[in-house]
Amino acid sequence: EVQLVESGGGLVQPGRSLRLSCAASGFTFDNYAMHWVRQVPGKGLEWVSGISWNSGSIGYADSVKGRFTISRDNAKNLLYLQLNSLRVEDMALYYCAKGSHDYGGHFDSWGQGTQVTVSS
Amino acid sequence: NFLLAQPHSVSESPGKTVTISCTRSSGSIASSYVQWYQQRPGSSPTIVIYDDNQRPSGVPDRFSGSIDSSSNSASLTISGLRTDDEADYYCQSFDDTSYRRVFGGGTKLTVL
Repeated sequence: EVQLVESGGGLVQPGRSLRLSCAASGFTFDNYAMHWVRQVPGKGLEWVSGISWNSGSIGYADSVKGRFTISRDNAKNLLYLQLNSLRVEDMALYYCAKGSHDYGGHFDSWGQGTQVTVSS
Repeated sequence: NFLLAQPHSVSESPGKTVTISCTRSSGSIASSYVQWYQQRPGSSPTIVIYDDNQRPSGVPDRFSGSIDSSSNSASLTISGLRTDDEADYYCQSFDDTSYRRVFGGGTKLTVL
């Protein structure tokens, strides 16, 4: 059974940094692309970033480009999202999602999310 | 960059059929696959349609997807509506010139 467990969320002041992690199990991690998707409570889903199986292809939403960095450690089955220069508008529930293919595909499994709160 | 536009909400009675649209703002709807996700309150999203019209195992055949190039849109159709179909539904596609993914704004389905 695929399991994705996010961690690292919390309360942070504007301008500060946070690092989110996603621990994956139940599948061969280095065979699949991985993504981060966020959701403000009561609002819609927003794709944040994605990374191919070998980190050869990476993409970011315009809203986070230059501030967030996605990475993965295939030896440890971990996905990361480094959040720098955080803004109030980055406050959301951040989901880790598994891609259905090594490069892209759809999001076929999701974690439960980790909450990021940005406030002074 | 393109956007995906969905109606904010739809409602229908149990047993009926409802269709949710997803219109691409620029570029062809056929240029990259469309997915549909269901999100029930308090839960993470789950995939119900992928690659325009494919159903994952475990998703009932009451759910179907299609695309229409003439209107540059995708559609999710749910037949034989049940009360537990009540949820938010999101379409999603990707920019085939980059690694960027795009979600529609979501449609709240009420079954009453």
